[in-house]
Amino acid sequence: DTGVSQDPRHKITKRGQNVTFRCDPISEHNRLYWYRQTLGQGPEFLTYFQNEAQLEKSRLLSDRFSAERPKGSFSTLEIQRTEQGDSAMYLCASSISLSADTQYFGPGTRLTVL
Amino acid sequence: AQSVTQLDSQVPVFEEAPVELRCNYSSSVSVYLFWYVQYPNQGLQLLLKYLSGSTLVKGINGFEAEFNKSQTSFHLRKPSVHISDTAEYFCAVSDRAGNTPLVFGKGTRLSVIA
Repeated sequence: DTGVSQDPRHKITKRGQNVTFRCDPISEHNRLYWYRQTLGQGPEFLTYFQNEAQLEKSRLLSDRFSAERPKGSFSTLEIQRTEQGDSAMYLCASSISLSADTQYFGPGTRLTVL
Repeated sequence: AQSVTQLDSQVPVFEEAPVELRCNYSSSVSVYLFWYVQYPNQGLQLLLKYLSGSTLVKGINGFEAEFNKSQTSFHLRKPSVHISDTAEYFCAVSDRAGNTPLVFGKGTRLSVIA
C-alpha cells in the first residue's frame, strides 16, 4: 500500500493558462475526493467520485473547474483559464465506500498563479 | 448542513505540558467526528475518529478526544506534548448517512516550545 499520490507536487503557471493535476488513490478505494486548501483555512470540499461516477460537483468553484475519473482508478482535476485567486493547495483523498471510513489524503499539489 | 468551529487559531505550549485543542460543531443530523494533523508541506493524517460507543476516543501519538453531544464538542487533548507535535490540527465532521464529505474547521496551529 503506497498511499495516495498526487502529481505534480508544485505547479507555477501564468494567469490564463490551463492546468491539470493527477491523483492516484489507494488501490482498493472506491471513493476519491478533491479538496482545496488556502492559507490559514481548512480544506474545502470540491467534488467526489464513487468509482467512475461523479456524485457531487456543485461545490466546484466555477465552471472553469472540472474533474474526471474515467476508469474508476486515477482522477484528474483541471482548471481552465487560471486566475490568481486559484492559487492554493489542492488535496486528494480516497476511502472505501462507507461514510465512516477514514479518508486518506495525498501530499497535495501546490498551485501558484502568477 | 454541518459546520465546525475551532475556537483557537494558535496555541503555544511548553514541552511536556498538557494541551487541549477545542472543537465545536453544528449539525441537524447525527455525525461522525474526526481530528486530522498536518505537518509542514505534507497532507493530512488521521489522529482519531468518533463513530459511536464510548465518548472517549484514543488516537495515535498519545492524543485523545471526548465527544460531548450536549455541548456539541469534540475537544482534542494530550497530557504531555513533544516538540514533534508542532503542526496544524483540523477538526472535521461528516454526516452518518454518507451524503456529505468532510467539513473541516479552520485549524489550530499548535506550537510546542522547548
